[in-house]
Amino acid sequence: DADVTQTPRNRITKTGKRIMLECSQTKGHDRMYWYRQDPGLGLRLIYYSFDVKDINKGEISDGYSVSRQAQAKFSLSLESAIPNQTALYFCATSDQGRPGGYTFGSGTRLTVV
Amino acid sequence: EDKVVQSPLSLVVHEGDTVTLNCSYEVTNFRSLLWYKQEKKAPTFLFMLTSSGIEKKSGRLSSILDKKELFSILNITATQTGDSAVYLCAVNAGGTSYGKLTFGQGTILTVHP
Repeated sequence: DADVTQTPRNRITKTGKRIMLECSQTKGHDRMYWYRQDPGLGLRLIYYSFDVKDINKGEISDGYSVSRQAQAKFSLSLESAIPNQTALYFCATSDQGRPGGYTFGSGTRLTVV
Repeated sequence: EDKVVQSPLSLVVHEGDTVTLNCSYEVTNFRSLLWYKQEKKAPTFLFMLTSSGIEKKSGRLSSILDKKELFSILNITATQTGDSAVYLCAVNAGGTSYGKLTFGQGTILTVHP
């Protein structure tokens, strides 16, 4: 089993729909992150959480929300999806003792039509 | 605002060529710089650099950091078609940002037989 599991792997949704992307990890890491990747823009941080009670906005949090249900689970929601949220979404984890040493999930390719 | 810039954005070479990828950064409280390789989906870790002038090597890949001039290079010698990928540079800054990575746009490397 993968250390960091994202579901779904691919999703097509309509404009205005609410959608949730889920991430779970077996690494035992305390820190979890959501990034989106667009061609030519690298990875941009949406939200991050350093422990269950800690949630922080990243550089592009507008239109997104998150929930850290447990140390191992971090979900990303799009309350009302729009076409420019079409992107590849990555969940990542890291350990407090080795910040920056990320473990990435396989990604969720989201298309909003 | 932390900033990471990679160049070139894309590069096409033939097998056997040597390539140099560049990464410059502007961050407060620099802690480390990381290189990732992204082939199909999730980025995979290559190097973490924290000190200037110390070259990290792994097979045909090597990387070095210059903290005075705020840049890093990733060298790939005797390139192979399997080196074709997006190469991502990321910086881990300190302070309240400690632990989260700021990524550059990525360099798309294409190696032709």
